Amino acid sequence: DAGVIQSPRHEVTEMGQEVTLRCKPISGHNSLFWYRQTMMRGLELLIYFNNNVPIDDSGMPEDRFSAKMPNASFSTLKIQPSEPRDSAVYFCASRPWRGEGSNQPQHFGDGTRLSIL
Amino acid sequence: AQTVTQSQPEMSVQEAETVTLSCTYDTSESDYYLFWYKQPPSRQMILVIRQEAYKQQNATENRFSVNFQKAAKSFSLKISDSQLGDAAMYFCAFRPPGNTPLVFGKGTRLSVIA
Repeated sequence: DAGVIQSPRHEVTEMGQEVTLRCKPISGHNSLFWYRQTMMRGLELLIYFNNNVPIDDSGMPEDRFSAKMPNASFSTLKIQPSEPRDSAVYFCASRPWRGEGSNQPQHFGDGTRLSIL
Repeated sequence: AQTVTQSQPEMSVQEAETVTLSCTYDTSESDYYLFWYKQPPSRQMILVIRQEAYKQQNATENRFSVNFQKAAKSFSLKISDSQLGDAAMYFCAFRPPGNTPLVFGKGTRLSVIA
């Protein structure tokens, strides 16, 4: 089975440019999570969706960040305009939701390493 | 808010020896889930082992086992017969009940010495 697919794997762009990161969750997984990893702050949740609906976006750093999930098989994380401090590895993860008692783990994509010059 | 603390930023172990990575967490929940993820240099996040808080028996996956002490809110990972391929960052993670995101510790970088 295909895992969580993220693209691009690497992105280098100049400050001020728009950046779009993409994620395809595992088929049948109805929860999707976006995390950011930096040396200083570790792994932080940015936003997550259940059944394509954003549930908690309190981790989105500022209005420059936006995320969408137009359907069950695709999500985007957009930064506009980008700044050097946005440089990080961005992970997408998905998980099947089987109810309150479910212990299903999250499955992670390989991440996008973003460098803003 | 829940927090996860990994007090050892770096650890090293000789090949074939045993090493234990520490993790403590803070929560007021009585039911929750705990995980250890491995992140090698390739940066993949690989699930190593998981534990349900309602289970008293410690989880085991081949050479990996945990020591879950619910009262102490401690969840350590033991790696037996360490191999060179075990060298990686290890993250402890907590998930409250419901369909909620993971809360991660800062990680422990494990080196394996041949």
